[in-house]
Amino acid sequence: GAVVSQHPSRVICKSGTSVKIECRSLDFQATTMFWYRQFPKQSLMLMATSNEGSKATYEQGVEKDKFLINHASLTLSTLTVTSAHPEDSSFYICSIRYGGFGEQFFGPGTRLTVL
Amino acid sequence: AQRVTQPEKLLSVFKGAPVELKCNYSYSGSPELFWYVQYSRQRLQLLLRHISRESIKGFTADLNKGETSFHLKKPFAQEEDSAMYYCALSLTSGGSYIPTFGRGTSLIVHP
Repeated sequence: GAVVSQHPSRVICKSGTSVKIECRSLDFQATTMFWYRQFPKQSLMLMATSNEGSKATYEQGVEKDKFLINHASLTLSTLTVTSAHPEDSSFYICSIRYGGFGEQFFGPGTRLTVL
Repeated sequence: AQRVTQPEKLLSVFKGAPVELKCNYSYSGSPELFWYVQYSRQRLQLLLRHISRESIKGFTADLNKGETSFHLKKPFAQEEDSAMYYCALSLTSGGSYIPTFGRGTSLIVHP
């Protein structure tokens, strides 16, 4: 399978600041990466599909100006939460699609806490 | 739009008992279906994919197109099976890959 890393694993920030989360595919060149948000004891909510060299595709209800995604290389996608507020506190997970059957490999997630 | 339903938020069984985690999907075509598992403090990982028709850690899942179901089963649950299980569907539409997850079922296996 593929190995996906995320950095940082957890971050605490003040309300109004911006936070950048990195997602790296360590052994696979991923033209597409996915960003999810996971609420406590709830499912994964797909936020956006990150496309290398082009604009991300956002799911309905996700503010693209709030959650900026950049996929500048085949191994790195970043999610920037701009002007973070306490309601943005959550667990953010990235994944890549790998293999012929369409399965996904996930990063370990980033816990964001906005004070 | 495609949808994945996992009706049980929580399933609690004793060790050695059979387990069935339910998953129903709505999609008119032929989807790709998966079960993912998330153990405590670990990342989500693939457990099963329907196309492989495999058994992993004693778990199996059969795609029933008539009932649009993809239930996960294990005849004898073990304590180490305690985890969060997600059923997922993916399809390719217009060249785009679209993943959809169910809300997850928390499985607790008591000693």
